[in-house]
Amino acid sequence: QKEVEQNSGPLSVPEGAIASLNCTYSDRVSQSFFWYRQYSGKSPELIMSIYSNGDKEDGRFTAQLNKASQYVSLLIRDSQPSDSATYLCAVNLRGSGNTGKLIFGQGTTLQVKP
Amino acid sequence: NAGVTQTPKFQVLKTGQSMTLQCAQDMNHNSMYWYRQDPGMGLRLIYYSASEGTTDKGEVPNGYNVSRLNKREFSLRLESAAPSQTSVYFCASSAASGGPNNEQFFGPGTRLTVL
Repeated sequence: QKEVEQNSGPLSVPEGAIASLNCTYSDRVSQSFFWYRQYSGKSPELIMSIYSNGDKEDGRFTAQLNKASQYVSLLIRDSQPSDSATYLCAVNLRGSGNTGKLIFGQGTTLQVKP
Repeated sequence: NAGVTQTPKFQVLKTGQSMTLQCAQDMNHNSMYWYRQDPGMGLRLIYYSASEGTTDKGEVPNGYNVSRLNKREFSLRLESAAPSQTSVYFCASSAASGGPNNEQFFGPGTRLTVL
């Protein structure tokens, strides 16, 4: 089992719909979870971080964390064509201590169709 | 405040040539990282530096060396480039203060082609 798994997609949603992106992880001790957005040909950009169970909202984005089930999700409300990108899930490693090391999933490609 | 900067943006090498990728951050971050990104492989950690003066191997260190020149700068060297090292290379940095807030911030990347 991979340490961080994401469905590669593509996930296709119509403009204005809710896009739901999911990520599962294998390390029960993980404490920090991040979502990055990566446009084609560009570098990853941090869009959300979550550390506690439950929901965290920031504008049109909501991150959801369920440590018992070992998954983290990202909801994008009122999806826009400009949201079309690859979304990377990242999780801190067991024993990462002060290193800040993260493990990245392979990413889910989101296509928002006008 | 430029964040994380990388040079060069693009590079073409011949097999066996050497080169150094440069990375600098102005956020006073403790930790710095080098990743490579290949289609279908995601981001893979090559080397990292948890603090000034320390470096450690990541998932795919073979064929690479690194230097943490000071707190700001972290360079990646390819001593004898191989076609398998054709990739996009990203540098990242993190405060990594020991707490959970270890967000990483990425530079713009270097596209390297080895012929």
